[in-house]
Parts: sequence; C-alpha cells; structure tokens
Amino acid sequence: GENVEQHPSTLSVQEGDSAVIKCTYSDSASNYFPWYKQELGKGPQLIIDIRSNVGEKKDQRIAVTLNKTAKHFSLHITETQPEDSAVYFCAARGDTGRRALTFGSGTRLQVQP
Amino acid sequence: NAGVTQTPKFRVLKTGQSMTLLCAQDMNHEYMYWYRQDPGMGLRLIHYSVGEGTTAKGEVPDGYNVSRLKKQNFLLGLESAAPSQTSVYFCASSYSVGNEQFFGPGTRLTVL
Repeated sequence: GENVEQHPSTLSVQEGDSAVIKCTYSDSASNYFPWYKQELGKGPQLIIDIRSNVGEKKDQRIAVTLNKTAKHFSLHITETQPEDSAVYFCAARGDTGRRALTFGSGTRLQVQP
Repeated sequence: NAGVTQTPKFRVLKTGQSMTLLCAQDMNHEYMYWYRQDPGMGLRLIHYSVGEGTTAKGEVPDGYNVSRLKKQNFLLGLESAAPSQTSVYFCASSYSVGNEQFFGPGTRLTVL
C-alpha cells in the first residue's frame, strides 16, 4: 500500500518568513495530493490540493508543488502569520485498490510574532 | 448546515467495556470514513464506507466494527475496549473518493 513520509515534524519560523513542508510517497500510481490544516481541538480542514496532471498550484499565500518523477510534493506558505500556527498534514491517494487517503505524520508549525 | 458531527466528544471506558461512536453528516455525501489520530502517527484509516449498506476495512481495522444503515450516519463500535484504543477518533465524509474530505470535531476516548 501507499506510504507517506512528512518532514519536518516541527517547524518554527518568525512572522513574515516562509515555511516549507515536504512529503514523499511510495505509490507511483497516486494521483491526488491534499494538504490539511488542524487547529488545536478541531478536525483537519483542507487548505489546498493538487492532482497529478499539474506541477504547481497557488492560492494566495499558500502553494503546493508536485514532482511525480521523484514522488514528492511540498507545501509553501509565504508571509507567515501567527494564525498559520497549526499542525499540517499531507496525504496521497492511490489509483488502485482501496483508493483512500494515506496521511503523513504531521508537521507542527509555530509562527513566532 | 451542521456538516459532520460526532457524538460523544469525550468518553472514558474501562478495559473490556463496549461503546459506539456516532458520526452524522448532512451534506448527502456517499463516502464516510473513521480515522484514529495518535501522537506522531498522523491519521490512520480504520474503516470506511462507499455508500449506504457498504463498509470496508482500512489500515487499522482490528478491534473495531462499523455500520452504515443510513446514508447520513456511520457508526464505529468497540466490542471490548483495550488501552491501545486510547486515541482521538475522527469521522469524515466526502462526495466521492477524489474530493475533499470534511472532518468532524473528533471524539477523545480514554481506555483505562
């Protein structure tokens, strides 16, 4: 089955700096890669996703890049703000078998004011 | 529009007790999922359902059972709770397998 690895596990940045979180996946047939943000005491919420037919997608201060050859994808947050502090999860969905999402282990982002 | 709701929010069980977690969604989604979240391990899929009356095993199904008798409800059962089942449980739903999953607020379960 699919295996998703996520790094780093914790990330601390100064307000206004950029933050980058990286994930690798094992199943070359995976074709859908969402990113979720989880605030304290709440369920995860989708912030951006990318499909295998594109290499990059942007939405205001967040962007995701995908390298299918290397089987990795990354989340980029620019001009970070204290409200960006949360746990971020990447995920991948394969195209065969269960076709359910496999999540990474999460990155705790702390934005220092 | 409540989205995805979970009942209860907190529960403490003794080893060997049973309980049922209820998930309800009002978005008319076909797909529903149960995950458990443990520190440093992300979200792991327990069971899922692709429609009313259907269920399937996920990554960590042992010790759990599920039922989807109505499209809007997905129940997760623990027949004989064990301390290893102490976790935060999240339910999610989606229109289809390739669409956004909407998560509930979670249930924190402690098994003593």
